[in-house]
Amino acid sequence: GQQVMQIPQYQHVQEGEDFTTYCNSSTTLSNIQWYKQRPGGHPVFLIQLVKSGEVKKQKRLTFQFGEAKKNSSLHITATQTTDVGTYFCAENTNAGKSTFGDGTTLTVKP
Amino acid sequence: SAVISQKPSRDICQRGTSLTIQCQVDSQVTMMFWYRQQPGQSLTLIATANQGSEATYESGFVIDKFPISRPNLTFSTLTVSNMSPEDSSIYLCSAGQPNYGYTFGSGTRLTVV
Repeated sequence: GQQVMQIPQYQHVQEGEDFTTYCNSSTTLSNIQWYKQRPGGHPVFLIQLVKSGEVKKQKRLTFQFGEAKKNSSLHITATQTTDVGTYFCAENTNAGKSTFGDGTTLTVKP
Repeated sequence: SAVISQKPSRDICQRGTSLTIQCQVDSQVTMMFWYRQQPGQSLTLIATANQGSEATYESGFVIDKFPISRPNLTFSTLTVSNMSPEDSSIYLCSAGQPNYGYTFGSGTRLTVV
């Protein structure tokens, strides 16, 4: 079945540095969703991208969907300690279910 | 977005017994799902809970082991049957409308001893 690959698996940054996680697929994606899971918490929906080349921003977070709809990225500008957690991308299929990537775990050193 | 109440939040169970996990959504939703997540790992979909009919299970998961009910558009249960230590994990329900992102319950941390 469809798989989305995420890199890197882990990222350690100093507070104030930028952070980017990438999601890649070998086939065209219908859409891409991003979730954040804080340590000990549950996944929280952040955003969905649908259109080729789409870019959306949420404060310091920038989400992009590739022109070929085979990749996506989440970029955080000037990380803060509140950004720690695992970021998952997921594709929402025609059946309505979401297939999750392996996630990128971000730690931020104050 | 929907708000989900998931119970219990954690439990320690004896092997061979069963545990039923409940999820109550504060509004009617089209889709409800059950996931399993090992600490530090991604989410594995167990099944789609279908209202008024049998759940749709993913490869590797069967109804006899993980019976699921969804009597209406706001409530679902997952039972982990005849438990073994390998079933120790975090179980999560999620719900919502397709293409609008899904809300997750707070999870059930299950330990089988």
